[in-house]
Amino acid sequence: GQQLNQSPQSMFIQEGEDVSMNCTSSSIFNTWLWYKQDPGEGPVLLIALYKAGELTSNGRLTAQFGITRKDSFLNISASIPSDVGIYFCAGPRGGNKLVFGAGTILRVKS
Amino acid sequence: EAQVTQNPRYLITVTGKKLTVTCSQNMNHEYMSWYRQDPGLGLRQIYYSMNVEVTDKGDVPEGYKVSRKEKRNFPLILESPSPNQTSLYFCASSPIDRVNTGELFFGEGSRLTVL
Repeated sequence: GQQLNQSPQSMFIQEGEDVSMNCTSSSIFNTWLWYKQDPGEGPVLLIALYKAGELTSNGRLTAQFGITRKDSFLNISASIPSDVGIYFCAGPRGGNKLVFGAGTILRVKS
Repeated sequence: EAQVTQNPRYLITVTGKKLTVTCSQNMNHEYMSWYRQDPGLGLRQIYYSMNVEVTDKGDVPEGYKVSRKEKRNFPLILESPSPNQTSLYFCASSPIDRVNTGELFFGEGSRLTVL
């Protein structure tokens, strides 16, 4: 069953806005990952977090590994149109498996 | 260019007609995996392989088979497709030393419709 809960399920953004999404789990993860899927393509790794409390940035993206190891958030600052897509959180489970959240869909406000 | 290549990208078929979705990677990765993506469910792992001739079930293996005869290829076989296998399928690969950190390289996806 689904082990990672992402919210919100979808959101509309206006260019220039900051965006925030999060991911929670009932289980502890030792690594948190954030992937982005552009329309018609496969997911691409954005940020990987390896330590509880870690805050990592990649350009306009900032992600944090929650101190309890059961949650993570991803922020996008000053959003641009190419930020639209689906954002997935993910975490390794059992060494050889990677479990994904259901995704947060980012759309542009018209 | 380093990539994971899937074929076909789009396929419409009928119930019961065997099909194979191929996956090939040119990065010499040991680990390969298949996922299916469905709305509201995210990506769910079907099968994975740690190396040649080593395969194991993921979370949703029913109705699928895989083989890993060569390092670069990891085909997904649907022996008797059913409509509930209509989905978007992704192949992914990773070097063995990055498997535990979940850093996967994904193909572009194969959209399968079973009528």
